[in-house]
Amino acid sequence: EVQLLESGGGLVQSGGSLRLSCATSGFTFINYAMIWVRQAPGKGLEWVSVISGSGGSTYYADSVKGRFTISRDNSKSTLYLQMNSLRAADTALYYCAKGRGSDTSGYYQGPFDYWGQGTLVTVSS
Amino acid sequence: DIVMTQSPDSLAVSLGERATINCKSSQTVFYSSNNRNYLAWYQQKPGQPPKLLIYWASTRDSGVPDRFSGSGSGTDFTLTISSLQAEDVAVYYCQQYYSTPYTFGQGTKLEIK
Repeated sequence: EVQLLESGGGLVQSGGSLRLSCATSGFTFINYAMIWVRQAPGKGLEWVSVISGSGGSTYYADSVKGRFTISRDNSKSTLYLQMNSLRAADTALYYCAKGRGSDTSGYYQGPFDYWGQGTLVTVSS
Repeated sequence: DIVMTQSPDSLAVSLGERATINCKSSQTVFYSSNNRNYLAWYQQKPGQPPKLLIYWASTRDSGVPDRFSGSGSGTDFTLTISSLQAEDVAVYYCQQYYSTPYTFGQGTKLEIK
């Protein structure tokens, strides 16, 4: 059974930092791209970042580029999101998600088939 | 960036009736090289993460009831629920994965009439 479990959220002041983690199990982690998606309270879904299976390719939404860093530890089957220079607009529930298809090219183009329950990040101004 | 626009924003349908949600992309999400539309549909129930329903515009994910179907190509897509069940009350999102930044529609809230 595929499982994704996020952690690391919390309350932080504007300008501060947090590192989110997503521990996974039930699939061969290195074979799949992994994604972060966030959802502000009462709002829709916003893609944040994606990382290839090897970790060699990463892409970011413009809203977080230069402030957030996605990474993964394939030996631990864990995904990370380092968030720096946090702003009130970053307040959201952060989900990690698994790419559906095997990641062969390093540029993932596919849907997200499993999602965690999310971890809440609140940035106070 | 590809902008995804859903219509309507909310929808109320009677149990057993058909529900139709539309999604329009600001540019094509169809790759002629493999004849695929890079479009997915997700269902999000209150307090839950999104669930993948449909990908490649019309392929149901494993375990998704066959009352859910997707159609369309290029820039115009539709999610249809053929006979609405009480458990289908949710917000539905379309998403393009043709290019980064991956983008979602604003969501359509589906309720029972």
